[in-house]
Amino acid sequence: EVQLVESGGGLVQPGGSLRLSCVASGFSLSNYHMDWVRQAPGKGLEWVGRATGDTPDRYTTLYAASVRGRFTISRDDSKNSLYLQMNSLKTEDTAVYYCVKLPPGDWGQGTLVTVSS
Amino acid sequence: QAVVTQEPSLTVPPGGTVTLTCGSTTGAVTSGHYPYWFQQKPGQAPKTLVYDTNNKQSWTPARFSGSLLGGKAALTLSGAQAEDEADYYCMFYYNGVLVFGGGTKLTVL
Repeated sequence: EVQLVESGGGLVQPGGSLRLSCVASGFSLSNYHMDWVRQAPGKGLEWVGRATGDTPDRYTTLYAASVRGRFTISRDDSKNSLYLQMNSLKTEDTAVYYCVKLPPGDWGQGTLVTVSS
Repeated sequence: QAVVTQEPSLTVPPGGTVTLTCGSTTGAVTSGHYPYWFQQKPGQAPKTLVYDTNNKQSWTPARFSGSLLGGKAALTLSGAQAEDEADYYCMFYYNGVLVFGGGTKLTVL
């Protein structure tokens, strides 16, 4: 059974940094595309970025324009974990952040990030 | 960047049929956009109902089906139940970028 468990959310000041983690079980992260998706309070879903699987193409990362240059996705295959390093945080980054395996679409429960002074 | 458009809200009577649609400002939606449909209830994480146009997850009720219809992606609910009241989001893939629609609030009434 696929399970995704996010952690690392919390309250951070504008301009600060935070690192989110997503521990996967039931499959090997390196074989699948993994995405981060966020949802601001009372708003819709927004794609943040992707870490591609190792096949058929080599591993790469992709980002939404709103976070490119500030956020970095990485992976630790030995821990079967995905990470989202968030720097230069803005108040508009406040959201629940979900780790998602696409396809076929398995979601974690999310972790809340609040950027506020 | 492409914008994905959805009906903001729809209402369906219990037992009725409703079709939610998802369009793209770049033109006709195709299977190459790998359309997804997600259901989200208040306070819960989203759940995937349909992926790659018409493939269902193991938990997706048979009354939900995905398709391409008139240049859009469509999610049809046949025989609506009270538990289907939720927000529904679609998502498309555009050359390495994923874009969500704004969501449809479905009321069963």
